[in-house]
Amino acid sequence: NAGVMQNPRHLVRRRGQEARLRCSPMKGHSHVYWYRQLPEEGLKFMVYLQKENIIDESGMPKERFSAEFPKEGPSILRIQQVVRGDSAAYFCASSVISGTANNSPLHFGNGTRLTVT
Amino acid sequence: AQRVTQPEKLLSVFKGAPVELKCNYSYSGSPELFWYVQYSRQRLQLLLRHISRESIKGFTADLNKGETSFHLKKPFAQEEDSAMYYCALSGRGTYKYIFGTGTRLKVLA
Repeated sequence: NAGVMQNPRHLVRRRGQEARLRCSPMKGHSHVYWYRQLPEEGLKFMVYLQKENIIDESGMPKERFSAEFPKEGPSILRIQQVVRGDSAAYFCASSVISGTANNSPLHFGNGTRLTVT
Repeated sequence: AQRVTQPEKLLSVFKGAPVELKCNYSYSGSPELFWYVQYSRQRLQLLLRHISRESIKGFTADLNKGETSFHLKKPFAQEEDSAMYYCALSGRGTYKYIFGTGTRLKVLA
C-alpha cells in the first residue's frame, strides 16, 4: 500500500492562473480531507469528502476554491485565479470510517507546496 | 465552537529532561483527541489517540475533561523526539478533525 499520494509536490503558478492539486487516498479509503498550512501556522481544515459527495466544506473559501472526489480517480482541489495569498502547503489525508473517529485515524500525504508568483 | 490551542510554538529541552507539550480544546460534545507528529522530511503521522490509553515511543497523553486538556508527556526526552507535534480534535459522530497550530520540539544534546 503506497499510502496517500499527492501530486505535484511543488506547483508554481502566476497570479490569475488555475491550480489543480491531486490526491489519491490509500487503498480502501473512501474519505478524503484537505488541509491548508500557511507559513508559521497550523493545519487549517478546508473540506471533507466522501466518494462523489462533499460532507463538510466549512473551511473552504467561498470563491475560487472547489473540491471533488469522483467515483473513479483522485480527489482534486481546484483553485481558480490564484492570488499570492494562496501560496501555502496543501495536505490531503484519507481514512476508512470504522465506528468512531478513534478507529478512523487520518493518513496524510506529503503535501503540495503551491507558490504563486 | 471547536478549537484546539497549543500555546507553545517552540519547546526546547535537553536530552533526558521531561517533556510536556500542552494542548487545550474547546468542544461542546464528546471529544476525541489525538496527537500527530511530523519528523523532518516525513509526512504527518498519528502518534497516539486518547481512547487507546497507550504509550507510544514513551509518550503518553491523558484526556482531562475538567480542564479540557490533552497534554503530551514523556519522562525522558530523546534527540530523535525532535519534531513538530500537532494536537487534533474530532467529535463523536463526526469525522471532521480540527488541528492546533503545532509545537516544534527540539531536544538538545
